[in-house]
Amino acid sequence: EAGVAQSPRYKIIEKRQSVAFWCNPISGHATLYWYQQILGQGPKLLIQFQNNGVVDDSQLPKDRFSAERLKGVDSTLKIQPAKLEDSAVYLCASSLEETEAFFGQGTRLTVV
Amino acid sequence: GQQVMQIPQYQHVQEGEDFTTYCNSSTTLSNIQWYKQRPGGHPVFLIQLVKSGEVKKQKRLTFQFGEAKKNSSLHITATQTTDVGTYFCAGRATSGTYKYIFGTGTRLKVLA
Repeated sequence: EAGVAQSPRYKIIEKRQSVAFWCNPISGHATLYWYQQILGQGPKLLIQFQNNGVVDDSQLPKDRFSAERLKGVDSTLKIQPAKLEDSAVYLCASSLEETEAFFGQGTRLTVV
Repeated sequence: GQQVMQIPQYQHVQEGEDFTTYCNSSTTLSNIQWYKQRPGGHPVFLIQLVKSGEVKKQKRLTFQFGEAKKNSSLHITATQTTDVGTYFCAGRATSGTYKYIFGTGTRLKVLA
């Protein structure tokens, strides 16, 4: 079974630039999550989708972050404009019926 | 809002010693999950506990869910170098969007 795919693996951008991350969940998984993990901290949920609908986006900084999951499969997370404090690993995960979550390798973002 | 704390933050043990990490939630949980994240890796699901007072074992790992469903623990017997990593609990809220909140994590280092 293929796992959760994310790209790119690494990204370095200057502050105020924009960036986008892509996630392809495990086939058949209705629930998709985007987490932000700052070095030394636990993953923080940014947004959770159930199929293509948003379940929770209470911790998503909506003035600069946006996410979509068209057709209930792939998802993209965008940051525009980026700030220094956005430097983190962005993890995508998927699950069946909100049980165990399967995480992708993550995208390490460095904002300089 | 709901907070999930873990102690200790760091633990160094000699190989063969036991290790325990504790997870405490500010609110009652519907269930709790445990994940392991190796250095440079992504979180990997270990187990889910649902019932009050539940105890589950996986080889050298023992997981407990408190009677009040506000705390949990992970105990590793006779640690091995392969146990190195950060252990996170993730508690699911009993109201709202029922999202999982990750704990602060306990980083385990095993000295050979």
